[in-house]
Amino acid sequence: GAVVSQHPSRVICKSGTSVKIECRSLDFQATTMFWYRQFPKQSLMLMATSNEGSKATYEQGVEKDKFLINHASLTLSTLTVTSAHPEDSSFYICSADTSERSYNEQFFGPGTRLTVL
Amino acid sequence: DAKTTQPTSMDCAEGRAANLPCNHSTISGNEYVYWYRQIHSQGPQYIIHGLKNNETNEMASLIITEDRKSSTLILPHATLRDTAVYYCIVSGAGSYQLTFGKGTKLSVIP
Repeated sequence: GAVVSQHPSRVICKSGTSVKIECRSLDFQATTMFWYRQFPKQSLMLMATSNEGSKATYEQGVEKDKFLINHASLTLSTLTVTSAHPEDSSFYICSADTSERSYNEQFFGPGTRLTVL
Repeated sequence: DAKTTQPTSMDCAEGRAANLPCNHSTISGNEYVYWYRQIHSQGPQYIIHGLKNNETNEMASLIITEDRKSSTLILPHATLRDTAVYYCIVSGAGSYQLTFGKGTKLSVIP
């Protein structure tokens, strides 16, 4: 099956620093990648959708200047949390879609747990 | 995308079948029913999807009612490793977004 990796799996940083999270599709090309955020005991919330080579589309309420997304290749997307604050502490999950099928089958990464002190 | 309604939680005895219901009464003709699950502190895992017909794979079976307003995910022989939150999602063929609700927390009990 298709595999999506994320790095790092866990990161702790000081308030005000920036953190970059990588999402890679290991054995397929991902035309579209998605970034989700999940707070404790809550469901996944879609943050943004990115297509290779174009600007990401952000969901309402998600600051594009704070959460920078770069989808530079068909196998790599990065999410940078700029000037992180404690309220940004969350579980960040990416997913990838090959767009080769008529139905929507997303493959999810294992997630990155961000803790901002 | 159509909204779904699922029970908040369910228990199932190990080795028995787990039947997880989902209501999607506003589903439209070109929308698929997807099931994903999320084991604690991991990314969601695709289980199965269907449009009109019942579907079966190595993980589960999906039963969709004739009017498509509800469906049931069946795990034929639940194990402790099946303990997870199960999400029923309805999404159109032309949409690549998945909207996660609160899901059903399935606890498989020894």
